[in-house]
Amino acid sequence: DAGVTQSPTHLIKTRGQQVTLRCSPKSGHDTVSWYQQALGQGPQFIFQYYEEEERQRGNFPDRFSGHQFPNYSSELNVNALLLGDSALYLCASSLNEGRGEAFFGQGTRLTVV
Amino acid sequence: DAKTTQPNSMESNEEEPVHLPCNHSTISGTDYIHWYRQLPSQGPEYVIHGLTSNVNNRMASLAIAEDRKSSTLILHRATLRDAAVYYCILTSGSYGGATNKLIFGTGTLLAVQP
Repeated sequence: DAGVTQSPTHLIKTRGQQVTLRCSPKSGHDTVSWYQQALGQGPQFIFQYYEEEERQRGNFPDRFSGHQFPNYSSELNVNALLLGDSALYLCASSLNEGRGEAFFGQGTRLTVV
Repeated sequence: DAKTTQPNSMESNEEEPVHLPCNHSTISGTDYIHWYRQLPSQGPEYVIHGLTSNVNNRMASLAIAEDRKSSTLILHRATLRDAAVYYCILTSGSYGGATNKLIFGTGTLLAVQP
């Protein structure tokens, strides 16, 4: 089992551009959550997808959007990038009927210049 | 969202037990207590979770106070590989323990000395 895989691992974008990050959940997991982790801080919840719909959302602007596909994989899109969007973006997968454990990927390091 | 309070950092010696405290005085009756850890350059890793009773698994033990206002993560024999940031997190039971959003604080940085 490959666990949670994220791509790409690193990315450099210019301010104002748009970016798409991808996540494949652990086999059999149906729920995907996205987190943003700035340097030296704990991860911050962005949103969660279940049954191809956004179910929960954190305090992030509409520039952050996502999608979940029928195979449970997910994308995170960020429009009009700001320098402050530079961070590690983490994907976590879990079972909706699970016993309390979420599995995280290694993350995508986004740098906005 | 109920908040947790943890020490910024702790030190331990290898092969000794480590007790990582967490205060959560505003915990509600349906909040689960989760612990995750994050090793350098990795995503967070689930450690353990519980509701009211103490819990044990292969990684650690979770001791929950009778009034649930505090808890302690116990690593029975620390190894160098246990050096990480440990996060204590409360989640409400709206969707089930695994799928509620995790609200991370700054956690406790555990250093393990050989």
